[in-house]
Amino acid sequence: ELKVEQNPLFLSMQEGKNYTIYCNYSTTSDRLYWYRQDPGKSLESLFVLLSNGAVKQEGRLMASLDTKARLSTLHITAAVHDLSATYFCAVGYPHTGNQFYFGTGTSLTVIP
Amino acid sequence: DVKVTQSSRYLVKRTGEKVFLECVQDMDHENMFWYRQDPGLGLRLIYFSYDVKMKEKGDIPEGYSVSREKKERFSLILESASTNQTSMYLCASSLGGSAGELFFGEGSRLTVL
Repeated sequence: ELKVEQNPLFLSMQEGKNYTIYCNYSTTSDRLYWYRQDPGKSLESLFVLLSNGAVKQEGRLMASLDTKARLSTLHITAAVHDLSATYFCAVGYPHTGNQFYFGTGTSLTVIP
Repeated sequence: DVKVTQSSRYLVKRTGEKVFLECVQDMDHENMFWYRQDPGLGLRLIYFSYDVKMKEKGDIPEGYSVSREKKERFSLILESASTNQTSMYLCASSLGGSAGELFFGEGSRLTVL
């Protein structure tokens, strides 16, 4: 069974601190996506990772993919309040019906 | 700029009413998806479509149907709305065949009274 697990589910951190969100998945894939969702809003694409060792950075967020370990990380550097949101990872499986399997999301709160 | 547009951001309907949620994408994507999102349950796939007039059941199709008469439009239909269908509904699209990036619409928040 295809599973995508994110941890932690909830994260409260102070401004200026660093932290990492983990996304583990059960079946090999080289397609991994990170999304951000603000309360009451839809999902906004953050990163697209399409190969082993891929690393993408945007501002204070950096995402990486290790397909051998079936693990992606979303690293937050020097958090600011504006990063408060829910973050989802999704794994792509082109040859399955659903094609995309989502993690449960990590609700991040950055405290001033 | 890529765009997925959902026709209604907020709807309030009564139990037993028929509800149409419309989704249009302008990216010429083959794949379109309908998800619902509920607190603590994450995103759950209702239906998806790989081509015009083609549909596949997702994880929770009961109580829903879909229509895809044109490539750019994917409609979700609640034949007889019930209170347990109160939720946020998200439409998404992607290029065919490769599990390429999913682009989401703004969401439709449906309340069934």
